[in-house]
Amino acid sequence: GAVVSQHPSWVICKSGTSVKIECRSLDFQATTMFWYRQFPKQSLMLMATSNEGSKATYEQGVEKDKFLINHASLTLSTLTVTSAHPEDSSFYICSAREQKGLNEQYFGPGTRLTVT
Amino acid sequence: AQSVTQLDSHVSVSEGTPVLLRCNYSSSYSPSLFWYVQHPNKGLQLLLKYTSAATLVKGINGFEAEFKKSETSFHLTKPSAHMSDAAEYFCVVSPLSGGYNKLIFGAGTRLAVHP
Repeated sequence: GAVVSQHPSWVICKSGTSVKIECRSLDFQATTMFWYRQFPKQSLMLMATSNEGSKATYEQGVEKDKFLINHASLTLSTLTVTSAHPEDSSFYICSAREQKGLNEQYFGPGTRLTVT
Repeated sequence: AQSVTQLDSHVSVSEGTPVLLRCNYSSSYSPSLFWYVQHPNKGLQLLLKYTSAATLVKGINGFEAEFKKSETSFHLTKPSAHMSDAAEYFCVVSPLSGGYNKLIFGAGTRLAVHP
């Protein structure tokens, strides 16, 4: 089946630093990848949609200069949290849509970010 | 506008008894509907999906869901719960119109299974 990986699985960083999270589709090509944020015991909130070779589309209320998204290839998208603050601590989950698929998205295992 | 409401934040059942997780949706377009499961420290796994074909959808691990347009519901059921079913379950809606495939998640239902 379609597998999506994320790296790292967890990261701790200090306030003011930047953190990069990678999302890879391992056995399929993904023209579209999605980044979600999940607070403890809450649902997933879509942050942005990333299309290969073009700029990401951010959801309302998500700062594009703070959450930089790059989708340079059909198998890799990255999310960089710039100048991280404690309120950015969360569980970040990516998903990828197969080129030929319908609406189904395959989800990565998530990355837990803790900003101290 | 599209939205999804999971009617129960927590459901607790005994092992071997039926499971019912309720979901209602709102969509301006013919929607795709999904149920995902999230186990602790693991990624979301697709249980089943409805995409305008058969209204009764069978998924993995013995789960199934029935799309009822008149009731705008997509409840998830399983005849007999297993301890390994304990997890967080998300009902998800996505409109089909124009290839737009944004997923909108419900708040989630935490299923506990007791021996």
